Amino acid sequence: NAGVTQTPKFQVLKTGQSMTLQCAQDMNHNSMYWYRQDPGMGLRLIYYSASEGTTDKGEVPNGYNVSRLNKREFSLRLESAAPSQTSVYFCASIQDRGGLYEQYFGPGTRLTVT
Amino acid sequence: GQQLNQSPQSMFIQEGEDVSMNCTSSSIFNTWLWYKQEPGEGPVLLIALYKAGELTSNGRLTAQFGITRKDSFLNISASIPSDVGIYFCAGLHMNRDDKIIFGKGTRLHILP
Repeated sequence: NAGVTQTPKFQVLKTGQSMTLQCAQDMNHNSMYWYRQDPGMGLRLIYYSASEGTTDKGEVPNGYNVSRLNKREFSLRLESAAPSQTSVYFCASIQDRGGLYEQYFGPGTRLTVT
Repeated sequence: GQQLNQSPQSMFIQEGEDVSMNCTSSSIFNTWLWYKQEPGEGPVLLIALYKAGELTSNGRLTAQFGITRKDSFLNISASIPSDVGIYFCAGLHMNRDDKIIFGKGTRLHILP
């Protein structure tokens, strides 16, 4: 998980509460991603950002918003948490280094919504 | 939308056996990626494949990018206990939309 940090590591929310998951990378990567991982579902893309200042929806964007604050940081916000958003959230980044990809995931945020 | 079908979902093998898993897609990718995830950790990139037909090795791991650009496979030779984990394939359109889509994973169990 070198180079990609996520906070918090664990969080419990009540239904309707809001929170922001933080992600930062120090590798000067252009592209950053937010995924959620649920048992048997693999990793599903929520939102991604191909470069600073751009964001795009992934497979499961409903209920989430993102902000690419600068090249280093990409945050994920839950405005009104729902139990269906209980999951493990992973941030990732990738960079094309002259045809070879450098890609890392963060350690994950385990979110429970009650 | 794009979907990746990864199989098998799980495998139970004896130590020392070879392992094969594959991924097929409903659409074309210009890059295939294979990851391993261990409990409590994020996925770690094992192999990246950049062009159709490419065969790449990383130690006991070998992966191939299918000619049609819609499939890829990963082989693990002479499995050892530390190979246990979940293996994911992923497709990427690098330098286009940069979206990375994952398969649902293959959970590898190694019997003593």
